[in-house]
Amino acid sequence: KQEVTQIPAALSVPEGENLVLNCSFTDSAIYNLQWFRQDPGKGLTSLLLIQSSQREQTSGRLNASLDKSSGRSTLYIAASQPGDSATYLCADKETSGSRLTFGEGTQLTVNP
Amino acid sequence: DAGVIQSPRHEVTEMGQEVTLRCKPISGHNSLFWYRQTMMRGLELLIYFNNNVPIDDSGMPEDRFSAKMPNASFSTLKIQPSEPRDSAVYFCASSSSGGQGDTQYFGPGTRLTVL
Repeated sequence: KQEVTQIPAALSVPEGENLVLNCSFTDSAIYNLQWFRQDPGKGLTSLLLIQSSQREQTSGRLNASLDKSSGRSTLYIAASQPGDSATYLCADKETSGSRLTFGEGTQLTVNP
Repeated sequence: DAGVIQSPRHEVTEMGQEVTLRCKPISGHNSLFWYRQTMMRGLELLIYFNNNVPIDDSGMPEDRFSAKMPNASFSTLKIQPSEPRDSAVYFCASSSSGGQGDTQYFGPGTRLTVL
């Protein structure tokens, strides 16, 4: 059974700092991996999706990487802002038709 | 596009009552997912549909839960009878299959409280 783990569970940084969130998965045979953001009391917003054949995806200040051989993905946030404060979740999909398996999330606080 | 629409946004009910949650996926999406989120268990997939057909319902906790998708633009999740341990936020998400279309788009959720 696929398991997804996110470290750290919580992170607090000063504004402007670059930071990395980590996601690891137990089965390297994945179809894709997705990073989401969840604001308190809200649903999830998709940030980046990396197909198994890709190594990274970028959107603005966000960069997500995927290393299937080591079972790891990272989300890099450059020049963090207070508005980046949220919970970030990663989720992988094992095959085209299968479910997403979510990690427990990293709660990020960016202090002004 | 209005995104995934869920109703109601909040539901408070008493134990034993029937609860029906509703979801309208994004137009053109052919996959629909129901999730439950709690502090203890995180985000769990309950069931998902592809082209209105249930594909994987292994996450449905027990017979008290049922889900239907009578057409491509509507789905319901029903709990009967409800119990306090069903209290959670229930999310609906939709996607179109294949490639970048695998991105799942989530609704705002229904916060269910069973007293």
